[in-house]
Amino acid sequence: QVQLQESGPGLVVPSGTLSLTCTFSAGSMTEHYWGSWVRQPPGRGLEWIGEVSHSGTTNYNPSFMSRVTMSMDQSKSQFSLTLSQLTAADTAVYYCARGRDYVWWNWGQGTLVPVSS
Amino acid sequence: QSALTQPASVSGSPGQSITISCTGTSSDVGRYNFVSWFQQQPGKAPQLIIFDVNKRPSGVSNRFSGSKSGNTASLTISGLQAEDEADYRCSSYTNIRTYVFGTETKVTVL
Repeated sequence: QVQLQESGPGLVVPSGTLSLTCTFSAGSMTEHYWGSWVRQPPGRGLEWIGEVSHSGTTNYNPSFMSRVTMSMDQSKSQFSLTLSQLTAADTAVYYCARGRDYVWWNWGQGTLVPVSS
Repeated sequence: QSALTQPASVSGSPGQSITISCTGTSSDVGRYNFVSWFQQQPGKAPQLIIFDVNKRPSGVSNRFSGSKSGNTASLTISGLQAEDEADYRCSSYTNIRTYVFGTETKVTVL
């Protein structure tokens, strides 16, 4: 069973930058697989932020394009999310997911990131 | 890209069948057969139950089935059970290489 686990700060300040890491089962992000980030603000729906391929190619939601960066580090079995210019509206549970052929097969348990001073 | 439209709630008695709709546009649901459905329990990660409109991952009950007509996809739960009480969401690939989710449907077993 492939496992993914998000890790990052417990709190981020407004106008700051969020950095999250997703650690996945070693060897599970092979060719054709993509690592995605999806978030869920409290009491609201899911929102796709973007994805990074096994080799580092990225594809972002235009809504986040100006302030998002994702990367893949196969040597550490991790992929990461950096989101800048944070506001309270970015408070959410952030999930990482492993996908292939337009399907997210595996998800992390999610990590709550409050944006507050 | 606007969220896909789902009914806020659907309910049924044990043993009954219920259907949840997921309405998009010709740029997403109507264009691609890359529609997935997820079940989400409170405080838990989404769990994939249907992919590619009507395919079930290994281990998912055959009481769950999916279909699509035009810009609307549907999830049917047959033989409703208490354990099916959860939130359900659809998702679709879009013509601008993004993904969009549905607005969430809360299923209640009476």
